[in-house]
Amino acid sequence: QSVLTQPPSVSGAPGQRVSISCTGSSSNIGAGYDVHWYQQLPGTAPKLLFDGSRNRPSGVPDRFSGSKSGTSASLDITGLQADDEADYYCQSYDRSLGGWVFGTGTKVSV
Amino acid sequence: QVHLEQSGAEMRKPGASVNVSCTASGYPFMNYGITWVRQAPGQGLEWMGWISAYNGDTNYAQKLQGRVTMTTDTSTATAYMTLRSLTSDDTAVYFCATTHYDTYTLDVWGQGTTVTVSS
Repeated sequence: QSVLTQPPSVSGAPGQRVSISCTGSSSNIGAGYDVHWYQQLPGTAPKLLFDGSRNRPSGVPDRFSGSKSGTSASLDITGLQADDEADYYCQSYDRSLGGWVFGTGTKVSV
Repeated sequence: QVHLEQSGAEMRKPGASVNVSCTASGYPFMNYGITWVRQAPGQGLEWMGWISAYNGDTNYAQKLQGRVTMTTDTSTATAYMTLRSLTSDDTAVYFCATTHYDTYTLDVWGQGTTVTVSS
């Protein structure tokens, strides 16, 4: 089980806003490490969506945004679209493990 | 453009080893590290470790220490991941990804290599 916990699933209607949480601890997010977010469409490799420096790679719409507070982070998706249906993962560094970890993953349904 | 091409699917028996390659193109190979990530069937992403293409420094996930080795060949812009003493729990799709040295973002991913461990 991962040290970063995400809700297994979230859903919303087209056009709505959804938020995906990523809950960690003082050993990772709470220690100030960056949190990155990835989107994985069915049957494909993950894709970087948003990085901890608040940057979006070129081509990623500004409907996707990330934030961090305390020992948690979140990814917001506004103006939900059908092709946003995917699995989403957070990633951060954990100093107890001495390496990077992914969150448990969240399936977004539209 | 930046591209990572991984080797083909592999089948191994329990106790064997597997070597997966990841050949980079479209950028100076030493400018980014390579991270390896795996995903068991129906499961989430698991970080396996990272190697610097600049100096060969590595950082492996604790649970894989002693069983995994990551190397690079700068002459062919190829990264390799070897996993030993395979069990059925190692059945997964294995991905490589370019990794920024400063932000550690995984920017470009390979297509994935399916490794099946079965007797």
